[in-house]
Amino acid sequence: GESVGLHLPTLSVQEGDNSIINCAYSNSASDYFIWYKQESGKGPQFIIDIRSNMDKRQGQRVTVLLNKTVKHLSLQIAATQPGDSAVYFCAENTNYKLTFGKGTLLTVNP
Amino acid sequence: NAGVMQNPRHLVRRRGQEARLRCSPMKGHSHVYWYRQLPEEGLKFMVYLQKENIIDESGMPKERFSAEFPKEGPSILRIQQVVRGDSAAYFCASSPPMSGQETQYFGPGTRLLVL
Repeated sequence: GESVGLHLPTLSVQEGDNSIINCAYSNSASDYFIWYKQESGKGPQFIIDIRSNMDKRQGQRVTVLLNKTVKHLSLQIAATQPGDSAVYFCAENTNYKLTFGKGTLLTVNP
Repeated sequence: NAGVMQNPRHLVRRRGQEARLRCSPMKGHSHVYWYRQLPEEGLKFMVYLQKENIIDESGMPKERFSAEFPKEGPSILRIQQVVRGDSAAYFCASSPPMSGQETQYFGPGTRLLVL
């Protein structure tokens, strides 16, 4: 079975609010995680990654948090915009092989 | 710097025909990965290739599917005698020639429809 899964299949937020997308993983040996954004009809787009020697990493408007104790990571999007509407996947990279969860559909309401 | 390129973007085949999907990695990338995505699901790993070598094909169906990455030219994912269950989006990703966990960058995908 899959080692990566998501808590919520859909998330609806108001424009300007912060969004939090969660992900659980089962392989405690996993040490590299990536968040991808996929818009309709397009390929996954790299957002941010984090290695297991870190518990937080920030990018432009995005932050990834990693809690190795409970095998959980989250993606926080600040000041969510309509252009952020997409499906978000967390992926676990075991050596070279990515294992994806099913994704969370984020809808941003104007 | 062009990203990962895939063609065709859409491919329609009848049952029993062959499908050929092409992928050109990003400039400077020598590692190629193929993934399959069924509707409303995450991507599933199929195969990992380097130039002229198949490194891991553990995600490939045992029959009808093959992949190559020749010394010159794009990587090819070939599906022989397609069936309706092969209908999916096929994504290629590439990464630079370094060891271990390098970020994979994805192409736009080929959407295969088998009639």
